[in-house]
Amino acid sequence: SAVISQKPSRDICQRGTSLTIQCQVDSQVTMMFWYRQQPGQSLTLIATANQGSEATYESGFVIDKFPISRPNLTFSTLTVSNMSPEDSSIYLCSVVGAEGGSNEQFFGPGTRLTVL
Amino acid sequence: AQSVTQPDIHITVSEGASLELRCNYSYGATPYLFWYVQSPGQGLQLLLKYFSGDTLVQGIKGFEAEFKRSQSSFNLRKPSVHWSDAAEYFCAVGPPDSWGKLQFGAGTQVVVTP
Repeated sequence: SAVISQKPSRDICQRGTSLTIQCQVDSQVTMMFWYRQQPGQSLTLIATANQGSEATYESGFVIDKFPISRPNLTFSTLTVSNMSPEDSSIYLCSVVGAEGGSNEQFFGPGTRLTVL
Repeated sequence: AQSVTQPDIHITVSEGASLELRCNYSYGATPYLFWYVQSPGQGLQLLLKYFSGDTLVQGIKGFEAEFKRSQSSFNLRKPSVHWSDAAEYFCAVGPPDSWGKLQFGAGTQVVVTP
């Protein structure tokens, strides 16, 4: 299995600012993803974080708004840029392919973001 | 277009009664199918998954799900619910050739009454 931690766990931010969310996994993983869960809604995939290269974004999400880094096999960051109240969501890191395991997918505890 | 539908937004069930949560999907080919549970203040936890083979899948916490290809359904069941089963349940589908890229249903909120 994989244990995922995210920092911060929650934050309240002002409109127009940016927040970087960190995702740390306790073992090397093959794939890392970022999801968003807007208030009262389901989860939506933002992007796949690729090690050493640009992230792969899903339709409706762009790099300028959600820059992502993945410098190694255990760590990734998601930045929410130029925030607006519509960005208020829970942002979840997810991983697949933990060491010694199957291709089971794990989700982090999430970062609850409120934009005022 | 691909979609995952959970017709029931909210279900109330008495403790000890049976529970069935519905999930229908629209997909080009048979996808990988999942059920996740999200409890208040908790992260997402995988209950069970279906890739291929036996269409009745057993999961954790006494849950099971049945894949019905003809109905494009993957309904979740539990014979006797416990108060701790109160949570939000998400059905998700994923492409067989692309691990991790899940499409989630809207979720079903389950309330358990004494």
